[in-house]
Amino acid sequence: NAGVMQNPRHLVRRRGQEARLRCSPMKGHSHVYWYRQLPEEGLKFMVYLQKENIIDESGMPKERFSAEFPKEGPSILRIQQVVRGDSAAYFCASTQNLEETQYFGPGTRLLVL
Amino acid sequence: GENVEQHPSTLSVQEGDSAVIKCTYSDSASNYFPWYKQELGKRPQLIIDIRSNVGEKKDQRIAVTLNKTAKHFSLHITETQPEDSAVYFCAAQNNAGNMLTFGGGTRLMVKP
Repeated sequence: NAGVMQNPRHLVRRRGQEARLRCSPMKGHSHVYWYRQLPEEGLKFMVYLQKENIIDESGMPKERFSAEFPKEGPSILRIQQVVRGDSAAYFCASTQNLEETQYFGPGTRLLVL
Repeated sequence: GENVEQHPSTLSVQEGDSAVIKCTYSDSASNYFPWYKQELGKRPQLIIDIRSNVGEKKDQRIAVTLNKTAKHFSLHITETQPEDSAVYFCAAQNNAGNMLTFGGGTRLMVKP
């Protein structure tokens, strides 16, 4: 859905740097979901957030990855000390309520050199 | 947790033929099954979905069937066109409604 915005669309980082990915949900949506897609694979769930709360982070690596969805502003997926294996497309989706159809943003393609 | 298997991984058909993609899931509590189409370098786009209280749903050339007992669901595309060429993903939503588990994808090629 064109209403979910992500930036940057492309991000290049060197190993050891930090990557910050932003997701602005559709207007009025307070539920945000992050997924990672490795090349030639399906999307894998990472984390589900509501405003100011992480509800389910079962798919997110315990080390180096964190996510937030502040009261004001976009949701942020942060990857510290990136490694080559973090190279992937990161998609977010938003909904107004649980169990609604998830429409995806355009994604951020992270390349770690 | 949920596991979704998708077959085939690649499918080549002649324009005008039908294409069928099949998925199985493991969690009997899953109750919502969307299908997404993803073109190269683009976002996954929802093309059709089905909830567990119905067995079939159709939208023009696209249909989805669900067999809850066997825990499998299928995508049917009739009268395929070259612009149908893309990667198709099935998914199952968990009972809590917060997580989609995706299949591995099917690369559909429609030859003119």
